[in-house]
Amino acid sequence: QSALTQPPSASGSPGQSVTISCTGTSSDVGGYNYVSWYQQHPGKAPKLMIYEVSKRPSGVPDRFSGSKSGNTASLTVSGLQAEDEADYYCISYAGSNSVFGTGTKVTVL
Amino acid sequence: EVQLVESGGGLVQHGGSLRLSCAASGFTFRSHWMHWVRQAPGKGLAWVSRINPDGGDTVYADSVKGRFTISRDNAKNTVYLQMNSLRAEDTAVYFCVRNLIGPEAYWGQGTLVTVSS
Repeated sequence: QSALTQPPSASGSPGQSVTISCTGTSSDVGGYNYVSWYQQHPGKAPKLMIYEVSKRPSGVPDRFSGSKSGNTASLTVSGLQAEDEADYYCISYAGSNSVFGTGTKVTVL
Repeated sequence: EVQLVESGGGLVQHGGSLRLSCAASGFTFRSHWMHWVRQAPGKGLAWVSRINPDGGDTVYADSVKGRFTISRDNAKNTVYLQMNSLRAEDTAVYFCVRNLIGPEAYWGQGTLVTVSS
């Protein structure tokens, strides 16, 4: 049950794009199309941004997109806005349990 | 309106026990998988446990296996987390989550558990 690997930080200027990777194994990310991405602002509960690798819940802007290749999933935020500055976590189904990523702090410069 | 309200957190000594509750409303509780997720101060999210809709299937993270027990009462729309043999590293905000991986994911606001040594 090792955590999925994410870069500790990522940044971009307003209007730019940033992509966050989430690397696991064939037992989690690579084995299932059940990867979700959460956004968390300080002191708040996480908010679902992407589920099943690339699907967006209603209300989430289409600036947020997800993909997967092999054992690595990715979240791309296009057209960065100030309110996108937050921590982002991936999570994958892993057979019977679930495993989170290590988290990435996105800074809007 | 969907609501998940956690309670039962607080300060407990090393080796002690605590039972968290999560009261659900605004949806058909008995139809949904429920999870507990925790976040240590200044740290990332960690999955703790999950229970299936009828309560007959439970799974735990290795870090809590044998010490924590998840259960639910569908008549009371409540999910529980019994935590025994608590350690300093169990100090965290504990979140109750509906359908953690899926389009109907919903989180409570969390309850803080502090284990003192």
